[in-house]
Amino acid sequence: GDSVTQMEGPVTLSEEAFLTINCTYTATGYPSLFWYVQYPGEGLQLLLKATKADDKGSNKGFEATYRKETTSFHLEKGSVQVSDSAVYFCALSRSSGSARQLTFGSGTQLTVLP
Amino acid sequence: SAVISQKPSRDICQRGTSLTIQCQVDSQVTMMFWYRQQPGQSLTLIATANQGSEATYESGFVIDKFPISRPNLTFSTLTVSNMSPEDSSIYLCSVVAPSTDTQYFGPGTRLTVL
Repeated sequence: GDSVTQMEGPVTLSEEAFLTINCTYTATGYPSLFWYVQYPGEGLQLLLKATKADDKGSNKGFEATYRKETTSFHLEKGSVQVSDSAVYFCALSRSSGSARQLTFGSGTQLTVLP
Repeated sequence: SAVISQKPSRDICQRGTSLTIQCQVDSQVTMMFWYRQQPGQSLTLIATANQGSEATYESGFVIDKFPISRPNLTFSTLTVSNMSPEDSSIYLCSVVAPSTDTQYFGPGTRLTVL
């Protein structure tokens, strides 16, 4: 079945450091890929997405490129801020009949220190 | 996108009681999803709720424990029945926005069972 593997956390960085959170997936066909972010005490927010190979999703300075050859969707940001401290979830979506179900990775806790 | 609200935002309940969580969406959607996020864990799909039909439950979840209603295209409820401390989690409602393959999430209901 489908699965998503995320980099183990927690990750602690200093402000303005470069961020990479690795995400690889296993799925047949061509899933859509997503990054969601969960700030402390809140629900999930969609951060960015990519729906086909070589697509780059971007939002709020974060980027991720859909790499089919390596089955990866790594999240990057050039200069993190304290306000980026949150849990980040990689996910894939495939259509199964009439349903579109998300498969989530385990989440990566990011803490950015001033 | 879709704007989703949930009630209550949090609750503390006694063992053996039941709690009904409401989910309201600002647009008509075909499918609504209910997820559980146990402390420090990723999200697990409980069930998919279609308007006018019975909900479809994932492995490990049963209707007697998590009855779901879907009376119209903008509203759903999830009841957590006969609660135990193991039910302490965040419960999230999610929808697929019309004409997209993107799931959006409500803010979640944080449940603590004593």
